[in-house]
Amino acid sequence: AQRVTQPEKLLSVFKGAPVELKCNYSYSGSPELFWYVQYSRQRLQLLLRHISRESIKGFTADLNKGETSFHLKKPFAQEEDSAMYYCALRDNTDKLIFGTGTRLQVFP
Amino acid sequence: EPEVTQTPSHQVTQMGQEVILRCVPISNHLYFYWYRQILGQKVEFLVSFYNNEISEKSEIFDDQFSVERPDGSNFTLKIRSTKLEDSAMYFCASLVQTQYFGPGTRLLVL
Repeated sequence: AQRVTQPEKLLSVFKGAPVELKCNYSYSGSPELFWYVQYSRQRLQLLLRHISRESIKGFTADLNKGETSFHLKKPFAQEEDSAMYYCALRDNTDKLIFGTGTRLQVFP
Repeated sequence: EPEVTQTPSHQVTQMGQEVILRCVPISNHLYFYWYRQILGQKVEFLVSFYNNEISEKSEIFDDQFSVERPDGSNFTLKIRSTKLEDSAMYFCASLVQTQYFGPGTRLLVL
């Protein structure tokens, strides 16, 4: 079955601390994975896609096929990073399968 | 930068009433999607649409739901007879390489 799991509903850190938002997936084919972010009262926005291997706003994510993971990391969290983060998998029909999301709270 | 737009932002309706949610995808995109998010739950796929027909639909997308692209720009989701459990945030998305989401319509069925 195709599934995306985000085990943490809430992650709270202080400004400057490292952040890791966990994402695991289950997919029989070759996965394409994304991180979307939703700031308060705003739309879902694409943050990262694994095939572009880029760093956006200091965030990175590496696809680990052995562990079926795509964890999102940032070495030094900022207050403006506070948001909902959704990991998503694009299947072979192009629809997105989302995880339940993790709310990141960054305290000053 | 072009964006997907959705109207209305909020809709309150009585159970059994019909609602139409509207979306204007980004103009050169060809693939369109509807997703919904019940409060506190994950974003779920409803339906995808390409070349004026449904490409795929989920088991949520039953006979009460329909989609249409009436005029080449709007993309609508109709719920014929709303139920309490249809209360959710409904997101439209359009695709070229990645999916771009609209701001959503919050539907409340009383």
